[in-house]
Amino acid sequence: GNSVTQMEGPVTLSEEAFLTINCTYTATGYPSLFWYVQYPGEGLQLLLKATKADDKGSNKGFEATYRKETTSFHLEKGSVQVSDSAVYFCALRLNSGGSNYKLTFGKGTLLTVNP
Amino acid sequence: GAGVSQTPSNKVTEKGKYVELRCDPISGHTALYWYRQSLGQGPEFLIYFQGTGAADDSGLPNDRFFAVRPEGSVSTLKIQRTERGDSAVYLCASSYIPGLAGGELFFGEGSRLTVL
Repeated sequence: GNSVTQMEGPVTLSEEAFLTINCTYTATGYPSLFWYVQYPGEGLQLLLKATKADDKGSNKGFEATYRKETTSFHLEKGSVQVSDSAVYFCALRLNSGGSNYKLTFGKGTLLTVNP
Repeated sequence: GAGVSQTPSNKVTEKGKYVELRCDPISGHTALYWYRQSLGQGPEFLIYFQGTGAADDSGLPNDRFFAVRPEGSVSTLKIQRTERGDSAVYLCASSYIPGLAGGELFFGEGSRLTVL
């Protein structure tokens, strides 16, 4: 089956620190990969995505590169801000087949950034 | 508002009671999804609607769970004879059309269900 494993949290950083949240996946087919973010009191929002190997998704200073050889999609940001405090979810969705509408999520990683 | 709206935001009920959770998707979105997020877990797929019909209900945990979308817009997730293990946040999402071609899924803020 399909599954996503992401770094256990919580992660606590100081403002301007470098962030990495690891994510690896297994998939029965060829997936697209996503990072979603959930800010306190808000719904899940798409942060970035990559649809094929070696693609880099980026948004709001966050980046993740689709690495097929290591089945990974690690989230990085060079300098975090207090406003980045949230729960981050890695997810996959198959590009083809009968279930290409279905997202499979990791367990989430809580990030807290202190001033 | 323009986003996915879910009501109630919080629901506390007693074991054995019946519960309905409502989702109002973004206008014009034909695809609607329900996910369940238990404590410490990521969201898990429950059911997907394309228009009025449930195209995939394989994620519903058992026959106590049922969902409808009679007019192809608002959806209601119904849980009969609730159990403590049903306690979770129930998330609704919609997209213009399903699959990757449909673009981004837009999620609501969720309905937190607590079964005492």
